Amino acid sequence: QVQLQQSGPGLVKPSQTLSLTCAISGDSVSSNSAAWNWIRQSPSRGLEWLGRTYFKSKWYNDYAVSVRSRITINPDTSKNQFSLQLNSLTPEDTAVYYCARGAAPWTCDYWGQGTLVTVSS
Amino acid sequence: QSAPTQPASVSGSPGQSITISCTGTSSDVGGYNYVSWYQQHPGKAPKLMIYDVSNRPSGISNRFSGSKSGNTASLTIYGLQAEDEADYYCSSHTTYNTLVLFGGGTKLTVL
Repeated sequence: QVQLQQSGPGLVKPSQTLSLTCAISGDSVSSNSAAWNWIRQSPSRGLEWLGRTYFKSKWYNDYAVSVRSRITINPDTSKNQFSLQLNSLTPEDTAVYYCARGAAPWTCDYWGQGTLVTVSS
Repeated sequence: QSAPTQPASVSGSPGQSITISCTGTSSDVGGYNYVSWYQQHPGKAPKLMIYDVSNRPSGISNRFSGSKSGNTASLTIYGLQAEDEADYYCSSHTTYNTLVLFGGGTKLTVL
């Protein structure tokens, strides 16, 4: 059974960087048959896919154009986890952030528990 | 690009069937067989119910069925049960550099 456990702060100041981690059990971040995604959800923007990392002979990343200039998703093979960094935060980035696995293309079959991130001074 | 369009709400009585539509364009829903459907209860993470238009993940009841015609995908729930009351979201891969689009969500009420 795949489980994803998220960790990270719930309050971040404007202009600072958000860092979240998603620890994986029951699968490997280096799996050749899975992608590791970050999605967020807010009342104003709904569900929004942010990006993913995956390994197929080498590491790849895909990012949504809306955050491409501010986002980094990195795998950590030593800890079997992956992370999200989103910089230059504004209040519009306030949302529940989820990590998720995708075993089939462009879908997410296992999700983390969600982290409410509030951007406020 | 715009998110696929879903009805804001649908309702049905226990035992009945309902269908939720997800209307996109030829650049997303109509162009790929990468439509998924998620169920979300309040305060919980979304749960995958259908992927690749019509495939059910292991453990998902066969009361849930997905289909697509042209630029519109549909989720049908047969034999409504009280626990089906939730928000439902479609998603699709898109040629636009957003890569994945989610619909705005549909609130299902079981009367």
